[in-house]
Order: sequence, then C-alpha cells, then structure tokens
Amino acid sequence: AQTVTQSQPEMSVQEAETVTLSCTYDTSESDYYLFWYKQPPSRQMILVIRQEAYKQQNATENRFSVNFQKAAKSFSLKISDSQLGDAAMYFCAYRDDRGSTLGRLYFGRGTQLTVWP
Amino acid sequence: GAGVSQTPSNKVTEKGKYVELRCDPISGHTALYWYRQSLGQGPEFLIYFQGTGAADDSGLPNDRFFAVRPEGSVSTLKIQRTERGDSAVYLCASSPNPGAYNEQFFGPGTRLTVL
Repeated sequence: AQTVTQSQPEMSVQEAETVTLSCTYDTSESDYYLFWYKQPPSRQMILVIRQEAYKQQNATENRFSVNFQKAAKSFSLKISDSQLGDAAMYFCAYRDDRGSTLGRLYFGRGTQLTVWP
Repeated sequence: GAGVSQTPSNKVTEKGKYVELRCDPISGHTALYWYRQSLGQGPEFLIYFQGTGAADDSGLPNDRFFAVRPEGSVSTLKIQRTERGDSAVYLCASSPNPGAYNEQFFGPGTRLTVL
C-alpha cells in the first residue's frame, strides 16, 4: 500500500520568514498526484497546492511552492513570507488512478505549523 | 452554501449505541468519500461512492460500519454498537469526477465522541 511520511510533527516560523515542510512517500506507480492540504482548527481541509508526477516543473501557488524530487520520492512544501493565517496543521497526500484504489487519498500524519508575530 | 456540509458538527454517544452521520456534497459532484481522522493522525479512507453505488468500501474497519447514498447526492455513514475506539472526526469529501486529478472538497467533519 502507498504510504506517506511526514517526519516533522511540529514546525515554527517567524512572520514574514520562510519555512519548509517535508514529506516522503512510497509507491510503485509512475503516474500519480501529490497534494498539500491545510487544516485549521475549524477542521475544514483546504487544498494548498497540487503536483502531477509526470510534470518536472515544480508547482507554485502565490507564496506556496513545492520541491518535487520524483526519484527520491520527496515532496516538500515551502511557504514564503509566512503570515499569521498560515498557522494550521499541514497534511501531505498522495493519490493515483489505479482501478483498485481509484479515488482514495493517502495522508501523512501532519505537521503542526506555528507562526510567531 | 456551495460547499460540502456535514451534520451534526459534534455527536456524543454512549458505548453500544447506534449513530448516523450525514454528508451533503456539492451539487453535481458524482464522487463522494468518507474518511476518519483519529486524534493526532491524518485522515484515513473509509469508503468511496460513484453515484449511488459504493465503488470501494475496503477502508471500512468492520461490519459495524455501513454507508449509503441512495439518490446519488446525500450520504449517511452508519455505525452500529459504537465503541470507544470509534471516537474520531469523520470527514466527507466530494469531487466532480473520481479521477485522481480532480480536487476533493472537504466538509468540516463530524466529531464523534463515544463515552
């Protein structure tokens, strides 16, 4: 089964600084998708950024960017110019289109991000 | 409201009781997913519906758990003979189509506490 590992239970960053959250995954598939979700205390999971494995270019969404290393099966999230509103639990997730598991997301255990003013 | 909604927001029950958790997906979304998030963990897949049928229920932990989606929109997750280990946040998500590219939109979850 696919596994997603987030080795940093907690991270903290000063407002306006940059922070990187780590994620590794295990799969035998060549085509798949990787996601970073944000979960604030309201519990609502919000998609932050998405990466298609077949694309070599790293995805970017405003202050959020990823470093996707397919051979190393690594998918880190960089948050630039951190804001107080970025404080939340961040989950890395994996998904593929194999018929037997079509639809399901595999999540890591999350990284709790604290932003200091 | 255009998002996924879940009711109730919180549910407290006693061990052995039966509970139903409801999910209203985004209108027109054919794919619907249930996940369970235990304390300190990431969400874990339970079941996936495509239309009215359960396309993948391999994540349901045992036969006390059951889910339906009779008209292809609202879904209900049913838990019989609840146990303390069932305490968790139950998340529902919907997607326009089931393909891996498509974003899953999550509801705010139902926090279930079994005393």
